[in-house]
Formats: sequence, structure tokens, C-alpha cells
Amino acid sequence: AQSVTQLGSHVSVSEGALVLLRCNYSSSVPPYLFWYVQYPNQGLQLLLKYTTGATLVKGINGFEAEFKKSETSFHLTKPSAHMSDAAEYFCAVSDQEDSGGGADGLTFGKGTHLIIQP
Amino acid sequence: DAGVTQSPTHLIKTRGQQVTLRCSPKSGHDTVSWYQQALGQGPQFIFQYYEEEERQRGNFPDRFSGHQFPNYSSELNVNALLLGDSALYLCASSLLGLDFEQFFGPGTRLTVL
Repeated sequence: AQSVTQLGSHVSVSEGALVLLRCNYSSSVPPYLFWYVQYPNQGLQLLLKYTTGATLVKGINGFEAEFKKSETSFHLTKPSAHMSDAAEYFCAVSDQEDSGGGADGLTFGKGTHLIIQP
Repeated sequence: DAGVTQSPTHLIKTRGQQVTLRCSPKSGHDTVSWYQQALGQGPQFIFQYYEEEERQRGNFPDRFSGHQFPNYSSELNVNALLLGDSALYLCASSLLGLDFEQFFGPGTRLTVL
């Protein structure tokens, strides 16, 4: 069974500082990997995804993530935090075995609440 | 394009009752997935519908059932509601096998008293 671990339920950074949100996964096969953001009282919005190819993935709003197979990690970074980045962030995996592409049911981590200090 | 829409936005039920939640997928999508998000937790996969059939299922009891209609819209039914069923229920749509993104709706907040 797949699982996703997000280290740190809350992360606080100063505006303009580096954002680093950690995600480790366990999967029997190389998975598809996703980061989603959720603002209060809203659904989830995709930030970025890794499926195949280049392991450094760039997403929206200046975020990027690197797939490291040897470390089973997919950490999310942003060079300079903005107040508007304050939200809940979820890492998710989808097993490639079911042939549904990224449309297969996702396994999510518990989320990391990002706080931006002025 | 209206994106994924869900109704109702909020719902209050009592224990033992039954509830039906509705979802309309993004235009062009053929697959609908349902997730349960308890307060302070990540979403948990309930099941997925494709071509009006349940294609995948997560670790949820049979009290949770669903349906997909010919126009790809979907319903989630929960019978014999428990207090623990209180959560945000999220619907996501996608194009099976051809896309790698699931588009999420705003969710339905279910409160069971």
C-alpha cells in the first residue's frame, strides 16, 4: 500500500525567505507525484506534478519540486515566500499500476500548514 | 468553463440518516473521484467512477455508494450516517489515461449531529 509522509504539520517562514515543505512516499512502483494547495474553505488546486522525465518540476506561483528516487522524496520549494502563499499544502501519490495515469485515486499526506510571517 | 461544481455547499444531518451529494465534472472529463477530508487531515480516496461503473475503491465501508450518469455527473450516497462521517467531501474530475491532473470542486461540508 502507498503512503505519504509530510514532515511538519506547520511550517513558519518570513516573507521573502525560502520555503521548503517536505514529502516522502512509499510505493512498490515508481509513482506519479503531486503537490496541491488548499486555501481556506476551498477545494484543492494543483501546484505541480511529476510523471516521467525531468526530475526537477516547475509549477505555478514560483514553486518547484524535485523527485529523488533514491530518497523516495518529493520536496516542495519556493525561493522567496509571499504573504499570499499562506495555505495548506498536500503531497499526493498515484500508483502507476492501474493504468489510469494521474486519474487514479490519490493517496494524500496529512498536509502542511504554511505560515508567512511579515 | 464552469469547472467542477458540487451541491449542496453545506449540509446538516442527524445520525442514522442518509445523504446524497452531487458533482458535475469539468467539461470534457469522463472520470469522477470522491474524497473525504476530515478536519485537519488530508483527503482520503473513497471511490472513482468511469463509464458509469465503479472503477476503483478506497478503504470505505459499503455505507458509501455512488453513481455516475450518462452525462458523467456523479452522486455520492452515504447511509446510516455516523458522527465520524462529518467532513468535507471533495469531488474531482479527470480524463482517464490521457491526463495527469484531477480538478477538484469546492466541496460539500457535511455535519452529522
